[in-house]
Amino acid sequence: DIQMTQSPSSLSASVGDRVTITCRASQSIANYLNWYQQQAGKAPKLLIYAASSLESGVPSRFSGSGSGTDFTLTINSLQPEDFATYYCQQSYNTLFTFGQGTRLAIK
Amino acid sequence: EVQLVESGGGLVQPGRSLRLSCTASGTDSGFTFSDSAMNWVRQAPGKGLEWVGFIRDKAFGATTEYAASVTGRFTISRDDSNAIAYLQMNSLKPEDTAVYYCTTLSDVYYNYFMDVWGKGTTVTVSS
Repeated sequence: DIQMTQSPSSLSASVGDRVTITCRASQSIANYLNWYQQQAGKAPKLLIYAASSLESGVPSRFSGSGSGTDFTLTINSLQPEDFATYYCQQSYNTLFTFGQGTRLAIK
Repeated sequence: EVQLVESGGGLVQPGRSLRLSCTASGTDSGFTFSDSAMNWVRQAPGKGLEWVGFIRDKAFGATTEYAASVTGRFTISRDDSNAIAYLQMNSLKPEDTAVYYCTTLSDVYYNYFMDVWGKGTTVTVSS
């Protein structure tokens, strides 16, 4: 299985800050990487697919980059609704795996 | 807008079976259930997301893929005429306790992503 490791596991930030979350794959996965946001008590929501493509309806302050083994999710100008848990997920092979999640809390 | 609604969750004893359903609606939005792969993800209490498995559409033989943790115990199937995906869970274990989410599975050049999610249904395995 391809292991996905996110860092940090948790972080705190303030409204208006810029934050970056990293996801590392245990082997090269090209750009087969997606990002999801899960607000407390809700179902996850797709943010970014194919490493850098913004899902329709997702605010442009979210962006993704990377290829191979290292990927980042960047959120510019944090808004109150962005405080949530974020997951990366690989689809390089059909045994999909998620990262362990990064909890973004209000400072 | 496509909507997915899971049902069938509940309390079940270890070793027993349960079948979850995922009903899709919103086909007037251009979504065609029969052309969509369907996927299941679960989340144990206080834990992260775990992929369970998916079923391809009939153009790809409605073939299935499963996580190692459920292979041989769980089966995914589909009823295209009623826009329902199923997750049959046999030989349930306490560690199968989770919220189970149904998702659509779209792709760009076989780069799969889970784009529409249901609200989830809770399965508790306990004696």
